[in-house]
Amino acid sequence: EAGVTQFPSHSVIEKGQTVTLRCDPISGHDNLYWYRRVMGKEIKFLLHFVKESKQDESGMPNNRFLAERTGGTYSTLKVQPAELEDSGVYFCASSQGIIGRREVEQFFGPGTRLTVL
Amino acid sequence: DAKTTQPPSMDCAEGRAANLPCNHSTISGNEYVYWYRQIHSQGPQYIIHGLKNNETNEMASLIITEDRKSSTLILPHATLRDTAVYYCIVRVSTPMAGTALIFGKGTTLSVSS
Repeated sequence: EAGVTQFPSHSVIEKGQTVTLRCDPISGHDNLYWYRRVMGKEIKFLLHFVKESKQDESGMPNNRFLAERTGGTYSTLKVQPAELEDSGVYFCASSQGIIGRREVEQFFGPGTRLTVL
Repeated sequence: DAKTTQPPSMDCAEGRAANLPCNHSTISGNEYVYWYRQIHSQGPQYIIHGLKNNETNEMASLIITEDRKSSTLILPHATLRDTAVYYCIVRVSTPMAGTALIFGKGTTLSVSS
């Protein structure tokens, strides 16, 4: 079974440009999360989808970040316009959504390393 | 902010047990203790979790004190591939949709031969 995949693995853009990151969760996983680690800091939660709905977007840093999950399958995270402080590694994770069962494990993708120059 | 405190780094000899401590003195009754690790350049990986009883799986054992204010992750026979940053996370787990993980700084475990 394929794990969580993310594309691209690396992206280098200039300040002011737009970048779109993609995450393909494990098939059948209703929960999809975005996290990021900026240089020297801890991994921080950005937002959480349940199927196509945003369950929690309290971690989104500002309105330059837009996440979508149309159809409840893959998700995209767009940064527009990108700033220098957006540089870091962006992780996606997914988990099963089983009614009446506690979520146990979030499966993480390998991350996308974003560098804004 | 993370609700846990971990030592920043630990060393362990290959083949020996690695015991990683975690303090979570403000843990609530409905919060679980989770452990994840991040091997260099990879995404975090789930290890184990528990509420109040000790737990064991194929990767590790989790020992939670009776007052639940601290816990220890045990890797019984550490290998070089266990070198990673280990995160202790306290988190409510409800029988609904999942919830975000709040990562702290973690413990960098270095296993050497």
